[in-house]
Amino acid sequence: QKEVEQDPGPLSVPEGAIVSLNCTYSNSAFQYFMWYRQYSRKGPELLMYTYSSGNKEDGRFTAQVDKSSKYISLFIRDSQPSDSATYLCAITLQGGSEKLVFGKGTKLTVNP
Amino acid sequence: DTGVSQDPRHKITKRGQNVTFRCDPISEHNRLYWYRQTLGQGPEFLTYFQNEAQLEKSRLLSDRFSAERPKGSFSTLEIQRTEQGDSAMYLCASSAQQGGTEAFFGQGTRLTVV
Repeated sequence: QKEVEQDPGPLSVPEGAIVSLNCTYSNSAFQYFMWYRQYSRKGPELLMYTYSSGNKEDGRFTAQVDKSSKYISLFIRDSQPSDSATYLCAITLQGGSEKLVFGKGTKLTVNP
Repeated sequence: DTGVSQDPRHKITKRGQNVTFRCDPISEHNRLYWYRQTLGQGPEFLTYFQNEAQLEKSRLLSDRFSAERPKGSFSTLEIQRTEQGDSAMYLCASSAQQGGTEAFFGQGTRLTVV
């Protein structure tokens, strides 16, 4: 079983839709959870970072962590064509390895 | 531009040649990471420096790969005797936070081995 599972999509939605992106993970020792956005042929851009169960909101983005289910989500409200990108979840251990373990990424297209 | 800078952005090399990539992290970040990303996959961890010390290496980092961070500033990643399987995007990231959190990535160096 992979440490982090993420549906690669592709996911296509109309402009203005609410988008839900998800990852599951297998190691209960994972403590920090991040979402990155990656445009084609660019480096990943950090969107959000959280370490506790619950929700964290930043503008149109909400990150949700459920440690009991080992499930993390990113919600995008009022999606825009400029949100079209690949979204990567990344998870790391507290007090252990410094490496980020990434999901495969979900390719999102928001159609005008 | 105060972000992570990588050079070159693209590199095409013949199989068997050596290549070297450079990364300049965000100036106040003491942590520096190298990752490799192939098409359709998420980045995979290669190695981590805290200041000039290389503290963590992945099994992916074969003996043909070597990374340095002299004086705890910029870093270089060298691949010797390149193989076609080395073709990938090589990403550098830096962070001021413990645990790999809040890592900021550069634009990457895209390597093509022909």
